[in-house]
Amino acid sequence: KNQVEQSPQSLIILEGKNCTLQCNYTVSPFSNLRWYKQDTGRGPVSLTIMTFSENTKSNGRYTATLDADTKQSSLHITASQLSDSASYICVVSTYNQGGKLIFGQGTELSVKP
Amino acid sequence: GAGVSQSPSNKVTEKGKDVELRCDPISGHTALYWYRQSLGQGLEFLIYFQGNSAPDKSGLPSDRFSAERTGGSVSTLTIQRTQQEDSAVYLCASSSRAGGVTDTQYFGPGTRLTVL
Repeated sequence: KNQVEQSPQSLIILEGKNCTLQCNYTVSPFSNLRWYKQDTGRGPVSLTIMTFSENTKSNGRYTATLDADTKQSSLHITASQLSDSASYICVVSTYNQGGKLIFGQGTELSVKP
Repeated sequence: GAGVSQSPSNKVTEKGKDVELRCDPISGHTALYWYRQSLGQGLEFLIYFQGNSAPDKSGLPSDRFSAERTGGSVSTLTIQRTQQEDSAVYLCASSSRAGGVTDTQYFGPGTRLTVL
């Protein structure tokens, strides 16, 4: 069964600190993996997209890694800001199925001053 | 330019009533997706439109759910005889092409449906 699991479910950190969010997937065949940020009451916004051959991709203070062998991904946030408080969703796409994105349940991040 | 818009932003209805949710995708985007996000759950794929091709309806949970896309642009998701378990945020997304590894889905703000 195609599944995407994220951990932790929620996380509280102090402003300025770093954190890492985890994503494990069992989706096959794999096409790409995306990380989205979803602010409360808003639609998800894409942060990174990685294909099978990419190990890491950065977007500002966000750095995503991908290990296609172990089917694991991480999202590292550096020097967190209050505006980073949101839900971070890991999404895996199967090959050649544009509509078939499998979403994780998300990690709820709260950055405190 | 304008992003994906959805209306209404909130909808409260009584069990058994029909509801229609609207999505206006980004102009020129050929692919349109509907998702459902229930409380505490991940996003669930519902239906996908690509150009003039027959839609992929494999994610629709029951025959009470249907969707149309008129003129390749605006889409309407209809839920008939609503049930309390239909309560969720319904998200629409569009992308410029489907299946490409670099296509990004742009999401609307969602419609929060509450069935009493």
